[in-house]
Amino acid sequence: AQKITQTQPGMFVQEKEAVTLDCTYDTSDQSYGLFWYKQPSSGEMIFLIYQGSYDEQNATEGRYSLNFQKARKSANLVISASQLGDSAMYFCAMRGGPNDYKLSFGAGTTVTVRA
Amino acid sequence: KAGVTQTPRYLIKTRGQQVTLSCSPISGHRSVSWYQQTPGQGLQFLFEYFSETQRNKGNFPGRFSGRQFSNSRSEMNVSTLELGDSALYLCASTPGLAGYEQYFGPGTRLTVT
Repeated sequence: AQKITQTQPGMFVQEKEAVTLDCTYDTSDQSYGLFWYKQPSSGEMIFLIYQGSYDEQNATEGRYSLNFQKARKSANLVISASQLGDSAMYFCAMRGGPNDYKLSFGAGTTVTVRA
Repeated sequence: KAGVTQTPRYLIKTRGQQVTLSCSPISGHRSVSWYQQTPGQGLQFLFEYFSETQRNKGNFPGRFSGRQFSNSRSEMNVSTLELGDSALYLCASTPGLAGYEQYFGPGTRLTVT
């Protein structure tokens, strides 16, 4: 069984600043995938970034980067140069081994970007 | 390429009724997963279908069922609705191969009164 923990219920960040969202996970699988999704108030889940457990380099996608520390079982999301449109709920999620297609989600972190 | 579509977007039902939600995946995607999102329980996996076969099932009662058609479109059904079934139901699709992210639809918001 996988467990995802997001300990920050809500965060405020100033526009143009960077913000780090914490995510720790627990799994007995050797092969797994970690994901971050953004959910605006409209409800749709928007895929942001993916990190495979065997990927040696941290994933980056534009202003999003994933700080993957395998030994610590953490997969923090860094959003650089925050924009007002980044205000949303952010979820860390995990998929198990190659034949596991379900995602386990954390509780989420609400990010509010201030002008 | 069109994204994942879900219909209807909003639904109001009465306790005891049944409901069917529909999901059309991204063209070429063969795997469809369903999730329930509530303020109390967060996001929970319901089931996943690939090529018309259920491959994974979450911990939900038998009142929750689903199916997938040959064109990969999927439906989920909830029978004998309870107040606690009020939730946002999200559908996600992937090509079905390991390592691919899931792309979500806009969700169907179900309210049970």
